[in-house]
Formats: sequence, structure tokens, C-alpha cells
Amino acid sequence: DQQVKQNSPSLSVQEGRISILNCDYTNSMFDYFLWYKKYPAEGPTFLISISSIKDKNEDGRFTVFLNKSAKHLSLHIVPSQPGDSAVYFCAAKGLSGAGSYQLTFGKGTKLSVIP
Amino acid sequence: NAGVMQNPRHLVRRRGQEARLRCSPMKGHSHVYWYRQLPEEGLKFMVYLQKENIIDESGMPKERFSAEFPKEGPSILRIQQVVRGDSAAYFCASSLGIGIDEQFFGPGTRLTVL
Repeated sequence: DQQVKQNSPSLSVQEGRISILNCDYTNSMFDYFLWYKKYPAEGPTFLISISSIKDKNEDGRFTVFLNKSAKHLSLHIVPSQPGDSAVYFCAAKGLSGAGSYQLTFGKGTKLSVIP
Repeated sequence: NAGVMQNPRHLVRRRGQEARLRCSPMKGHSHVYWYRQLPEEGLKFMVYLQKENIIDESGMPKERFSAEFPKEGPSILRIQQVVRGDSAAYFCASSLGIGIDEQFFGPGTRLTVL
């Protein structure tokens, strides 16, 4: 069962416009959410996070919104830049089968920012 | 300050062979995590280790897979008798403490099983 879902495999946005990447989750026990950015042939890089007690967190051009009742979060990038072109993974922190906190990742959304 | 190092970056094995993937965490980090990314999938947690201890291996297949993080040297993910379904990218991450947002990822090892 997929507990973290990113339903859009890809997204194309014009440079300077807003990019909105969406993520849905099913496990109400998740209490911390993260976005990672991944370039080809590299490992994921932490981008921004949000605790379940908040509904918004902002860092420069990046803002993450959390709607707990809808079990939905989104990442906004504004203005989008060509260097933002990458795969973005949504991840959630929750208890693993053995009782330690681990990350559950979505499948990722490939963002292409067109100059 | 070197980041998380993984080697080899690419590994090709024939069915039935063994694959050994190495991960050197960031300097000072004593927590290591291994993830697997199958084609068109997200990263899936496999195992969490601290020096000389396996803390959580709930995401690792029960057979053919093992992991270690010795007192000296890199963490090793070992896959015995590889099968085609093991072909994937394997990522290692390390952290200073147990805070999830402090995980730093390596570039990954892409394993191809022929």
C-alpha cells in the first residue's frame, strides 16, 4: 500500500511562474513531512520540511503548505527557475514496523522549468 | 567536508553473484540508513544502523540481504545470489543524530543484474 502519493509524475512550468507540487498521504500518524530535490545521478537533497502542528513553512522561494484534515501537502516554488528542474520527492516521518522513525517517500514528480 | 560517499557508483552482476555496496557516512555521523529505489518508484527504507548495531531492518528482505556498520570502515550492504529484481538504485544516508531532517544522502549505487 502506498502511504505517500504524488499523483503527478511530471509538471512543466514557464520560468518565472509558480510551480505547485502536490502530495497526499493516508497514514494519520505521520507527524513530520519533508520535500527532497533530486538531480539525475545524484542523491536526494533536503529542501524544506513542516511539522504537523503547522500549516505553512516558508524558506525563500519555497513554501510548503499542510492541510491535515485533507491529508494533503503542497510545495510552492515562486518564481520558478530553470535550475529548479529536478525530481521532487515528498516524504513523511512515521514509525516503521520495528518501532523506529523512518521516512516513507512518494514516487516523485519531475519538474521541468522552461526558459 | 566530504559528503556521504558511496561506491561503486555502478555495479553489474550476473544472476547468482554477490553484490557489495559501500557507504562512508559524513565525518562524525554515526547513523546510517539504506534505501532502495526501484525504477519509477520512490525510495524505500531498508535498514537503519548505528556503529556495530542494526537498529531497524524492517524494510530489508529477510533472505539474501544483509547490512553491517563496523566500528571501523564503511557500512556495507550485501546482496547474495542476486536476481534481476534486485536491479535498482541503492542510496545510503547518514545523520549526526536521530533527527530525520538531518539525513544527508549519498549519490547512490546503481546495481544492474544481467
